[in-house]
This record gives sequence, structure tokens and C-alpha cells, in this order.
Amino acid sequence: AQSVTQLGSHVSVSEGALVLLRCNYSSSVPPYLFWYVQYPNQGLQLLLKYTTGATLVKGINGFEAEFKKSETSFHLTKPSAHMSDAAEYFCAVTSTGANSKLTFGKGITLSVRP
Amino acid sequence: GAGVSQSPSNKVTEKGKDVELRCDPISGHTALYWYRQSLGQGLEFLIYFQGNSAPDKSGLPSDRFSAERTGGSVSTLTIQRTQQEDSAVYLCASSARQGLYTFGSGTRLTVV
Repeated sequence: AQSVTQLGSHVSVSEGALVLLRCNYSSSVPPYLFWYVQYPNQGLQLLLKYTTGATLVKGINGFEAEFKKSETSFHLTKPSAHMSDAAEYFCAVTSTGANSKLTFGKGITLSVRP
Repeated sequence: GAGVSQSPSNKVTEKGKDVELRCDPISGHTALYWYRQSLGQGLEFLIYFQGNSAPDKSGLPSDRFSAERTGGSVSTLTIQRTQQEDSAVYLCASSARQGLYTFGSGTRLTVV
């Protein structure tokens, strides 16, 4: 079984401030981990993913995430928030092996203050 | 096609009616998934098809929900005797290999 915990439902930051969105996972086998972004009235867009190899993963729009096995975490960061980053962010996990379902967290809404 | 196509994009139905939601995956993608997105609930897994294997139906919330995938391509999600709590966005995704999923834009279902 696998699960994802995204604590809190809403994060608000000032433009230019650090963005930190937390994600903790549970998986009985080595996980693949994902962050997706959903802008208002749009579909899901992949930000970045960790499968194997380097634990620090860089994605689109300046976001990055670090896989920490010891902490079962995959937190998403961006050094400087932009107004256009306002959206809902979902962390997801799947198990290694054959194609398998993605299990999502409940999502976090990011607001960016001018 | 270039992406995962879902139809209709919006559906309003009366309580008690049946609805069918359609998903056209990317050609050649062997795996197909259905999710439900409700306000404040994130994305809830419904069902997963992989090639000719028996589908994983573990996420279907009740026996009013069913899905099929014909010819390993197009999938239809059917909800019978719709209830107001079925109102949500239903998302379809397809995948050709581990770790690479493409999502459709979803069908917004409103039960009145």
C-alpha cells in the first residue's frame, strides 16, 4: 500500500519569497514520486518526478524537489515565488515495477501576495 | 491523437439519471486510469486498465460505478442512478511506461 500526506491545504507567500510545499509518502517498495500543478480550470501538468538516480530533481518553472528516503519526504521548493506560481500543487507516489496507479495527496493551494 | 481526450468537457444531469464519460487515450498507451477530483478531496483513484489484464477496480466507490475499455483503447466510465455526491471532475490518464502519465482535461459532472 502507498499513501501521500500533504500537510495543510493552503500556503501563502509573498512574491520573491521562498516556496516550500511539504510532501511525505509511505510505500512498502521503492517509490516513484511526482509533483503536479493545476492552474485554475486547467488539467494536471507534471512539474517534476523522481524515479531513480540523483535525489535532487529539477523541474519546470524553477521548481525542484529532493527525495529523502530517511525522512520519507519529497518536499517541493522554489527560491523566489512569482505571481504566476499561484495554483494547486499535488504530490503523488507510485511503486516501482509494472505500470501502477498514482496515489495523490489532497493538494495544497499556493497563493502569492504582491 | 496528441493528447488524452475526454468528452464531454461538462455534463449536467438530473439526480437518478445514468451518465457515460468517455476517454480517448494516447495511441499506443497500454495503461489507462480514471480519477475523481472533488473539492477538498484531492484526486481519488477509481480504476486502472493495463493491457489485457483484469482491471484494478479497487477505487470504485460503489456498484453504481463501472468502466470498460474496448479494444485496448477508448474507455467509458458509467455512473448509474447519479447522486449529488457524484458531482466532481473526472480525470482520465494514460501511460506507455512506468513513471510517465498524461492526463486529460477532465469532465466536470454536475448532478442537480
